Amino acid sequence: SYVLAQPPSVSVAPGKTAKITCGGDNIGSKSAHWYQQKPGQAPVLVVHNDNDRPSGIPERFSGSNSGNTATLTISRVEAGDEADYYCQVWDSRSHHWVFGGGTKLTAL
Amino acid sequence: EVQLVESGGGLVQPGESLRLSCAATGFPFYTYWMAWVRQAPGKGLEWVASINQDRSEIYYVDSVKGRFTISRDNAGASLYLQMNNLRAEDTAVYYCARCGRGGVWYYYGMSVWGQGTTVTVSS
Repeated sequence: SYVLAQPPSVSVAPGKTAKITCGGDNIGSKSAHWYQQKPGQAPVLVVHNDNDRPSGIPERFSGSNSGNTATLTISRVEAGDEADYYCQVWDSRSHHWVFGGGTKLTAL
Repeated sequence: EVQLVESGGGLVQPGESLRLSCAATGFPFYTYWMAWVRQAPGKGLEWVASINQDRSEIYYVDSVKGRFTISRDNAGASLYLQMNNLRAEDTAVYYCARCGRGGVWYYYGMSVWGQGTTVTVSS
């Protein structure tokens, strides 16, 4: 089965740039999505199709996807960005949605 | 307002059944793929099942195949998850999520989520 690997945690100072990676076999050939989840809340889609932002998501959130790594970049990190972030792809071979294990972002 | 509202969660014993419902409002439900996603306490997100617009494509994570059944009522704009032979490891918050539509529906991720309903399986 297809597997996505994320670092368990990423820390960044407020105002700096955070990069959260998502590793998968040839993930660059798939469409990657990213979700933000704050404690006690449902996930929110922040990036879809590698680098498209849903309406209402700040431009500070962007994505890239190439080779074996997809990356979520959060510029000018704010305290309110602290959350768990999950990557996701659709594996067309197994017809399964696959989530990464999640990354906890901490604004130091 | 685009909204998904889940219901039907609760406390059940191992081996028992439960039916989750998800009511959709504010968008043309019948045009979208839909999915159930769960999250065990303190754990990450796990996709459970997906269904396309006309029910001709239905997929499940291996751990629930043969026990769970996803279904939809397009006229009533509702999504369901029938869960049979529940196990302790099925304990989780279950989310209903709207996927995409069209030929590359998977390009859109899951853009709308419900607030979740909690299922606890314990003796």
